[in-house]
Amino acid sequence: DIQMTQSPSSLSAFVGDRVTITCRASQNVNSYLNWYQQKPGKAPKLLIYGASALQNAVPSRFRGSGSGTDYTLTITSLQPEDFATYYCQQSYSGWTFGQGTKVDIK
Amino acid sequence: EVLLVQSGAEMKKPGESLKISCEASGYSFVHYWIGWVRQMPGKGLEWMAVIHPGDSDTRYSLSFEGQVTISADKSINTAYLQWSSLKASDSAMYYCARRTYYYGSGTYSYFDFWGPGTLVTVSS
Repeated sequence: DIQMTQSPSSLSAFVGDRVTITCRASQNVNSYLNWYQQKPGKAPKLLIYGASALQNAVPSRFRGSGSGTDYTLTITSLQPEDFATYYCQQSYSGWTFGQGTKVDIK
Repeated sequence: EVLLVQSGAEMKKPGESLKISCEASGYSFVHYWIGWVRQMPGKGLEWMAVIHPGDSDTRYSLSFEGQVTISADKSINTAYLQWSSLKASDSAMYYCARRTYYYGSGTYSYFDFWGPGTLVTVSS
């Protein structure tokens, strides 16, 4: 099984900050990498697929990048509604999620 | 509008059986894989299984194979997840989600629509 490791596990940030979350795969996943946002008590929401493609209606402040085993989700200017937990997911072989990164208010 | 409507919360005892459902609308049910994802209390997301309702082809995560059964009834646009003998450790929120493909430089797949979740509590 491909393992996905996110860092950090949690972070605190101010509104307006640039936030970066990293996801590392245990083997090359060839950009078969998706990012989801989950707010408390809600279902996950797709943000990014194919490492860098923005899902419909997702604000452009969310950016995905990376290749091979290393991927990044960047929120260029954190908004109040962005405080949530973020998960990466590989779809190269099955579908494995990272353990999540909780973003909260500083 | 794509909608996935899941069955209500369940409280069961260890050893009991359970079948939860996910009714899809707003798209052609037989043309998209649909999957189940577990989230234990305070924990992350775990993919369990997917099914193609058109031909009932299934895929299971190694962690869940033999523990649950995924099925679908295309006549009523509904997918199911079932247990024959629940354990306390099955207590979790279960989400169904539609799997979509994007054909770019590769064939990328992702879960684009999610149900609201079904909370399963197993306790004696």
